Amino acid sequence: KQEVTQIPAALSVPEGENLVLNCSFTDSAIYNLQWFRQDPGKGLTSLLLIQSSQREQTSGRLNASLDKSSGRSTLYIAASQPGDSATYLCAVRKGGGADGLTFGKGTHLIIQP
Amino acid sequence: GAVVSQHPSWVICKSGTSVKIECRSLDFQATTMFWYRQFPKQSLMLMATSNEGSKATYEQGVEKDKFLINHASLTLSTLTVTSAHPEDSSFYICSARDRINEKLFFGSGTQLSVL
Repeated sequence: KQEVTQIPAALSVPEGENLVLNCSFTDSAIYNLQWFRQDPGKGLTSLLLIQSSQREQTSGRLNASLDKSSGRSTLYIAASQPGDSATYLCAVRKGGGADGLTFGKGTHLIIQP
Repeated sequence: GAVVSQHPSWVICKSGTSVKIECRSLDFQATTMFWYRQFPKQSLMLMATSNEGSKATYEQGVEKDKFLINHASLTLSTLTVTSAHPEDSSFYICSARDRINEKLFFGSGTQLSVL
């Protein structure tokens, strides 16, 4: 059974810092890995999706890497801003069919102004 | 961008009553929708996969007779929690996969509180 772990569970840093969120998964046979942002009272917003054949994806100040063989992914946030405060979720998809996602518990991020 | 509308956003009900949650894709068609549940400080857990026009596939440990799923059209799936009990109190969230580009979009979730 796939298990996804996110470290740290919570993080509070001053505005402007670069930071790294970690995600690990136990079964390397994944179809893709996705990072989401969850804001209180709102749904999930997809940030980056990395296919199993890819090693990284970038969008603006965000960069996600994937090392499938070791079961790890990192989300790098550059020049953090207070608006980045949210819970960040890592999720893996097993197969290419009608498969749901396996989520980690998330990293609760607070960026101090 | 694509939008998934989930309704209601929160509901409080008495023990023993049934609650229906709707998940609607507003500007795309979704042959597959997913229902997740999240307890406090826990991860989102997949409950079931809903395919348009066919029976839902439930994850191990999820009672199909308690959590009724209907996916009658390409834009609507419903989850009915039958005879709800306090232990069913949770955050329920749906997602829909665009049948054209396979992108996944999430609803805003439903906070269910059973008294």
